[in-house]
Amino acid sequence: AQSVTQPDIHITVSEGASLELRCNYSYGATPYLFWYVQSPGQGLQLLLKYFSGDTLVQGIKGFEAEFKRSQSSFNLRKPSVHWSDAAEYFCAVAIAGAAGNKLTFGGGTRVLVKP
Amino acid sequence: SAVISQKPSRDICQRGTSLTIQCQVDSQVTMMFWYRQQPGQSLTLIATANQGSEATYESGFVIDKFPISRPNLTFSTLTVSNMSPEDSSIYLCSVAAGTARNTEAFFGQGTRLTVV
Repeated sequence: AQSVTQPDIHITVSEGASLELRCNYSYGATPYLFWYVQSPGQGLQLLLKYFSGDTLVQGIKGFEAEFKRSQSSFNLRKPSVHWSDAAEYFCAVAIAGAAGNKLTFGGGTRVLVKP
Repeated sequence: SAVISQKPSRDICQRGTSLTIQCQVDSQVTMMFWYRQQPGQSLTLIATANQGSEATYESGFVIDKFPISRPNLTFSTLTVSNMSPEDSSIYLCSVAAGTARNTEAFFGQGTRLTVV
């Protein structure tokens, strides 16, 4: 069964600084990969996704993620964070061929933004 | 895309009672998914609901505790039965929508359940 690990439970970053959130997955083939954001009291919003092709994926709100097959990673980055980026971020995988279905989520990383 | 409406958005329930959560989608979908998010935790898939067949439950979840109905392609319900404080969680409905090459999961706003 696939699994997803987000090694950092909490990250605190200053406003305007760069942000990188780590995600490692375990799966025998290339899965479909996703990053979601959950703001306090809000539902889940998709930031970006990777299915195939270019390994650097651009998403909404200035986020990007890079798929590295050799490292089984799909790290999320943002060059300059805004106070509104404070939220919980979840990496998720779906079995290839079942994109968007039956997601396995990582434990989440809570991002705090200092003024 | 898909727009999902969940009801209720939140509830406080007495232990031993049951709560039924409704999920309505604005388009026809084959599969609907129910997730649980316990306080401070990530999302865990409870079950997959297909129209016209029994739901498929993940390890650790059973039909007697979480019965699911799927009467048509746009609607599903999840019941949390005989509740205990450990059932206090956010319950989310999800569907997959898009083309075969470009699908993604859409989520409802969730139902925040507190069991007292």
